[in-house]
Amino acid sequence: NAGVTQTPKFRVLKTGQSMTLLCAQDMNHEYMYWYRQDPGMGLRLIHYSVGEGTTAKGEVPDGYNVSRLKKQNFLLGLESAAPSQTSVYFCASRPDRTPHNTGELFFGEGSRLTVL
Amino acid sequence: SQKIEQNSEALNIQEGKTATLTCNYTNYSPAYLQWYRQDPGRGPVFLLLIRENEKEKRKERLKVTFDTTLKQSLFHITASQPADSATYLCAPGGYQKVTFGTGTKLQVIP
Repeated sequence: NAGVTQTPKFRVLKTGQSMTLLCAQDMNHEYMYWYRQDPGMGLRLIHYSVGEGTTAKGEVPDGYNVSRLKKQNFLLGLESAAPSQTSVYFCASRPDRTPHNTGELFFGEGSRLTVL
Repeated sequence: SQKIEQNSEALNIQEGKTATLTCNYTNYSPAYLQWYRQDPGRGPVFLLLIRENEKEKRKERLKVTFDTTLKQSLFHITASQPADSATYLCAPGGYQKVTFGTGTKLQVIP
């Protein structure tokens, strides 16, 4: 079981370039999330999805777009990268909350993005 | 606006002592509260959950309390070890949108 896999793990971009981060989960989870983590700022929610074909904005959505065309994949796009988007990005997934589970989030290992 | 506050500064304690971390929240009515551990360069890992009708929850050397009147959860690590050094994050639960506190960095000194 791979769990949550993020691709790529490292990427360097120039200002204005575009790129897509891929998150794939093999646990059949309904919910998926994208966070960014900067020193001293903790995890900040960018966008999230409560099911295939749905997306919603989080705390810091500006400059990012997402898509959830397949249940197992959640893509995070940067259309025109800016230095302020230099960060570590984490994807997470979780099952729908029931009395029989903890609703815990399962995280990927992170994608380190540098924008020059 | 909603806010989740954790000890903003790092917490340094001596090995063997009890570490106590605080999570305060504003404008949430969580059905439960989750605690996670994050090691440098890794994604957070779930530790435990406490429900709103539970005052206290224990798991090995970990103890969590939840006071919905104070809007606060306390996370205790007893008999702390250097291997407990990490950042600990809390997250109010019961919402589709999951947000975290800034985390508390714990350093256990041998």
